[in-house]
Amino acid sequence: DIVMTQSPDSLAVSLGERATINCKSSQSVLYSSNNRDYLAWYQQKPGQPPKLLIYWASTRESGVPDRFSGSGSGTDFTLTISSLQAEDVAVYFCQQYYTTPQTFGQGTKLEIK
Amino acid sequence: QVHLQESGPGLVKPSGTLSLTCAVSGGSISSSSWWNWVRQPPGKGLEWIGQIYHSGSTNYNPSLKSRVTILLDESNNQFSLKLSSVTAADTAVYYCARVPGYSSGWHQNWGQGSLVTVSS
Repeated sequence: DIVMTQSPDSLAVSLGERATINCKSSQSVLYSSNNRDYLAWYQQKPGQPPKLLIYWASTRESGVPDRFSGSGSGTDFTLTISSLQAEDVAVYFCQQYYTTPQTFGQGTKLEIK
Repeated sequence: QVHLQESGPGLVKPSGTLSLTCAVSGGSISSSSWWNWVRQPPGKGLEWIGQIYHSGSTNYNPSLKSRVTILLDESNNQFSLKLSSVTAADTAVYYCARVPGYSSGWHQNWGQGSLVTVSS
């Protein structure tokens, strides 16, 4: 299985500041034949299911605010929230769908400083 | 917008079989989508259980494969999960989710989740 490791486990950022969450895969999730990274990001608020934010490592899902962006390739990826809003408090997960079984990172808890 | 809703018993006895159904509305289960089950133990991360395509093709997590069955019920526009020989370690919120298209892998739509507790 591909192991997805997120850092940090928790993060506190001031309102309006940038938040950066990292995700590292134990092997590359870049598919050479189409040059796509098989990596998604999700946001989960308490008592709610995960919500898709980003797929193909950097494609924003429809309706997701443009303060959310994804970057990286191969084994190292980043989710950036450019200006933190109060409603962004949540746990964030990365997921690889390059191979079966698809696997998720352990989650990063984002709080307001 | 596709909507998914899980249903099933909230309590299952050890060594028994966990059974859940996911009702799909706002779209056809016969569409080009993978229909998935994902679980989340209380306070922990996400674990993918398996998926089924409208053709009936399935993929399962090898860690659970010997105990899992996912089936489609096209007449009722729903799909189901059966997990046998459950233990306390199977206590979790179980989500059904939709992956759009055959070659994608992201979960675009999720149910609200169903908490299943394994206890005598």
